[in-house]
Amino acid sequence: NAGVTQTPKFRILKIGQSMTLQCTQDMNHNYMYWYRQDPGMGLKLIYYSVGAGITDKGEVPNGYNVSRSTTEDFPLRLELAAPSQTSVYFCASSPLIRSYNEQFFGPGTRLTVL
Amino acid sequence: KQEVTQIPAALSVPEGENLVLNCSFTDSAIYNLQWFRQDPGKGLTSLLLIQSSQREQTSGRLNASLDKSSGRSTLYIAASQPGDSATYLCAVRADAGKSTFGDGTTLTVKP
Repeated sequence: NAGVTQTPKFRILKIGQSMTLQCTQDMNHNYMYWYRQDPGMGLKLIYYSVGAGITDKGEVPNGYNVSRSTTEDFPLRLELAAPSQTSVYFCASSPLIRSYNEQFFGPGTRLTVL
Repeated sequence: KQEVTQIPAALSVPEGENLVLNCSFTDSAIYNLQWFRQDPGKGLTSLLLIQSSQREQTSGRLNASLDKSSGRSTLYIAASQPGDSATYLCAVRADAGKSTFGDGTTLTVKP
């Protein structure tokens, strides 16, 4: 099992550009998440999904969009990139069992907006 | 709104010392609490997950405890080694889809 994979690893965007961060998991997990981590800080939840076709906002959703057409994939779309979106983005997944849904993380995408 | 605090923000200890990292949270109605390790520039590695009905979990030299009533968890590291140097994050799940993370404790173990 590859676990949770993310592409790209690094990206530099110009202000106003758009991009999609890809996330795929092969563990058949129902839950998937997108977080961002700013330097010296913990992770903040952007969006999450409890299954294909279902998504919901987290703590910091503004400027982002997501979709979940399959169990495996959960892409994050940035529209009109801004310097405030410079961060490291982590995708995670967890199984459906409520009290024991351990989260598994991808390696992250380091994004710089100039 | 759930808030998670980790104190201290940084800790430096000599090799071989036993140490405790703290995590406190404001809403005691949680599903579980998970401790992670993060090396510089890397992703998160899960260390231990404690279900809401459990008091502690152990893995090797690591022991995590949970006291829901006081809103606290501790991560105990026995016989620390330089390889334990990393940032340790706790995450509290108080909703089916949402976890709240602390800002982490950066641990340095000196040889």
